Amino acid sequence: DGGITQSPKYLFRKEGQNVTLSCEQNLNHDAMYWYRQDPGQGLRLIYYSQIVNDFQKGDIAEGYSVSREKKESFPLTVTSAQKNPTAFYLCASTPTGAAGEKLFFGSGTQLSVL
Amino acid sequence: KNQVEQSPQSLIILEGKNCTLQCNYTVSPFSNLRWYKQDTGRGPVSLTIMTFSENTKSNGRYTATLDADTKQSSLHITASQLSDSASYICVVTGGGNKLTFGTGTQLKVEL
Repeated sequence: DGGITQSPKYLFRKEGQNVTLSCEQNLNHDAMYWYRQDPGQGLRLIYYSQIVNDFQKGDIAEGYSVSREKKESFPLTVTSAQKNPTAFYLCASTPTGAAGEKLFFGSGTQLSVL
Repeated sequence: KNQVEQSPQSLIILEGKNCTLQCNYTVSPFSNLRWYKQDTGRGPVSLTIMTFSENTKSNGRYTATLDADTKQSSLHITASQLSDSASYICVVTGGGNKLTFGTGTQLKVEL
């Protein structure tokens, strides 16, 4: 099946630790995105990438880092600088990144702080 | 400031009944509006897209409307089923492909 795979489903972070969330897609989409979802808030954009080896900061990039070494993969690292990391993280993709395209989402990763 | 407001925040209905969810936005310029369905613990899935010139669009038991003059959209669900229990998110695309997400309406369908 074509789609976006996020792993792990649940992740726990200790204080001072960096953790990496995986996102892989086999849709041959150019653009990929990371969103953060908190209860009672709309999704917020962390980072996005429209082409391999290039990415841009979204609205809440502080404390996060990404890489786009392969078209299929867009991992997100939550660094120790992110003081409130507990949230549901969603990876998404679109065919080209053009305006108005439908977002295809993964199943999400729930990150919690120990 | 671009904003998308959804109402009600939550809703409980009996199986087989109809319901309507509301979305008001202040995004400008306007490109399009999408409704997504998000099951608990899953990623959102697109239900419909509305562009400026469209007033109504249906997808099975889901019917979306758009009034671009008043900047309002609604999602009507007909003959609800237990599987309709989910969060419904309104997303507006504005200038520069900027997306503004609503906080969602949590719908629960009961027997």
